[in-house]
Amino acid sequence: DVKVTQSSRYLVKRTGEKVFLECVQDMDHENMFWYRQDPGLGLRLIYFSYDVKMKEKGDIPEGYSVSREKKERFSLILESASTNQTSMYLCASSLDRGLNQPQHFGDGTRLSIL
Amino acid sequence: AQTVTQSQPEMSVQEAETVTLSCTYDTSESDYYLFWYKQPPSRQMILVIRQEAYKQQNATENRFSVNFQKAAKSFSLKISDSQLGDAAMYFCAYRGGWIYGGSQGNLIFGKGTKLSVKP
Repeated sequence: DVKVTQSSRYLVKRTGEKVFLECVQDMDHENMFWYRQDPGLGLRLIYFSYDVKMKEKGDIPEGYSVSREKKERFSLILESASTNQTSMYLCASSLDRGLNQPQHFGDGTRLSIL
Repeated sequence: AQTVTQSQPEMSVQEAETVTLSCTYDTSESDYYLFWYKQPPSRQMILVIRQEAYKQQNATENRFSVNFQKAAKSFSLKISDSQLGDAAMYFCAYRGGWIYGGSQGNLIFGKGTKLSVKP
């Protein structure tokens, strides 16, 4: 089975801090994704990557950046955390760009910015 | 912009009964995939079922089946013999081709339906 591991289940940070959320997958997947999940809004794509050192903006990239230095690891960075970034963050990966390829999700990180 | 609409924010079903969750989508593409994902409380999101647009036959996975109406752009999920473990958020998702960025593996999600199962 595919294993997508997010470094923290719960995280509390302060406004203005630089925050790193880490995600690792163990199945040599090409594609990796970061979403945020908010009640009533579903999942919204922040950034994605389809190869090492490649990144593409999703629907809501403002206030975020990403890093993919190794194929298995995809990091989400909040450069200067703000209270409106309090949310559930989900990482996902998929094998490749095939339309039929499902995304495999991590457990999520519930981030609170105080 | 591409949209996926789940019109039922919450649904409830009695244990052992059948429930249908609705999903509609908007697209001008002819080749695409549709997915249903399940997210139990405080647990990982997992794939329930998927359907290719070119296949007329509705996908089935054990107690889960879909009613795919391509012309109506409708993709509902039917859960038969509902169990307590089926209680979760259910998300409908679309992946298309190059028009909507699906060629890069992107999914477009609906806002979800929260399903409760009564014992």
